[in-house]
Amino acid sequence: DSGVTQTPKHLITATGQRVTLRCSPRSGDLSVYWYQQSLDQGLQFLIQYYNGEERAKGNILERFSAQQFPDLHSELNLSSLELGDSALYFCASSVVGSSYEQYFGPGTRLTVT
Amino acid sequence: AQSVTQLGSHVSVSEGALVLLRCNYSSSVPPYLFWYVQYPNQGLQLLLKYTTGATLVKGINGFEAEFKKSETSFHLTKPSAHMSDAAEYFCAVSDVDSSYKLIFGSGTRLLVRP
Repeated sequence: DSGVTQTPKHLITATGQRVTLRCSPRSGDLSVYWYQQSLDQGLQFLIQYYNGEERAKGNILERFSAQQFPDLHSELNLSSLELGDSALYFCASSVVGSSYEQYFGPGTRLTVT
Repeated sequence: AQSVTQLGSHVSVSEGALVLLRCNYSSSVPPYLFWYVQYPNQGLQLLLKYTTGATLVKGINGFEAEFKKSETSFHLTKPSAHMSDAAEYFCAVSDVDSSYKLIFGSGTRLLVRP
């Protein structure tokens, strides 16, 4: 158990819908990263937050957004969902957003039908 | 920009045999390198990391990796494979230029034959 929690574990929804994925980092970790894992794209970085502020963006679609709250949990919002958004979404946390290793949550499997 | 190449999408070994999973990286600055393992329907678990110092790094479950700057490699090895090692393994480099996000290789699925 990495100490990073993600909910829900599975999510099935229809095209055009909006969903919210939630992540709670390890106790004391200020930095949260979101990654997408799909068969065709592999593991890709989406976005990072550090202590409530956006730190870096990767290949994140404009339909996707995220935020980190004062209690340090983070949410990833995916809207106008398309079939191609079906993937595993991972959250990871690290101590201070530096070279320290990232600890991954169990992921949320999103299926868009 | 950093990148990672993992040679071999599938590697099959017999139980008790040497495990060797290959990883080459590209980085314009001294890299921070990681190996993660993913068991079916689970998240990624850190096996080991290299940041600075000793180039031979030992990790969990008997795995180790050696950082070779001249070869830009960070291959993962284990002397004797167990059935429980069957999983997918990802090599990653940390983007030290910004955010320290992880850039992953495409992964290698390790199959262990009885």
